Amino acid sequence: GDSVTQMEGPVTLSEEAFLTINCTYTATGYPSLFWYVQYPGEGLQLLLKATKADDKGSNKGFEATYRKETTSFHLEKGSVQVSDSAVYFCALSDNAGKSTFGDGTTLTVKP
Amino acid sequence: GAGVSQTPSNKVTEKGKYVELRCDPISGHTALYWYRQSLGQGPEFLIYFQGTGAADDSGLPNDRFFAVRPEGSVSTLKIQRTERGDSAVYLCASSPRAGGPGNEQFFGPGTRLTVL
Repeated sequence: GDSVTQMEGPVTLSEEAFLTINCTYTATGYPSLFWYVQYPGEGLQLLLKATKADDKGSNKGFEATYRKETTSFHLEKGSVQVSDSAVYFCALSDNAGKSTFGDGTTLTVKP
Repeated sequence: GAGVSQTPSNKVTEKGKYVELRCDPISGHTALYWYRQSLGQGPEFLIYFQGTGAADDSGLPNDRFFAVRPEGSVSTLKIQRTERGDSAVYLCASSPRAGGPGNEQFFGPGTRLTVL
C-alpha cells in the first residue's frame, strides 16, 4: 500500500536559519503530494501541494518539488521565523482523494 | 465562510460504552473523510463518503466502527463497545469533490476521544 516517510523530529532552529524537512513516499500510480501544517492549538491546514512530476509547490516562503525519480517531496524554507513553529505533515493522495500521511515533524524556531 | 466543525471537541467515556462523533462539513462539499490520529503519529484514513454513500471504508479497523452520512452533509462516526486502544483524536475533512489531482481537504479541529 501507499506510505509516506518523514524526517524524524523534533527540529529546533534559530530564526533566519535554513529549513529542510525530508519526505519520501511509496505509491502506485501518480499521486498528488501535499504538505500540511498544524499550528499550536489549531487544525491541519494545507501549506502547499504538487500534482505531477517536477511541479514545485510554494506558499509563505516554503517550497517543495515533486521528484518522481527519487520519490521525494522535501520541504524547504530559506529563512524561518518564530511564527513557523508548528507540526508539518507530508501526505499523498490517490485519484480517489484518499490521503496517506507521514508521522509529522515538529519544528521549533527560537528567536 | 464556516469551516468544518466537529462535536464534541472532547469525549471521555468508559470501556465498553458506545460513542457518536459528529462532523459538519463545509457547505457544498460532496466528499467527506474521517481520519484517526494517535499521539505522535499522522492522521490515519478510516472512511470517505462521496455524497451519501461510503465510497471507501477500507480504513475502519473492525466492525465496531461505523459511519453514516444520510443526507450527504453531516456525518456521524459511531464506535461500539469502546476499547482503551480507541483513544485518539478523530479528524474529519471535506473537499469540494472526491479525488482528482491536487484535491485539497479541509480539516476540522478534531474530537479527542479518551476511553478509560
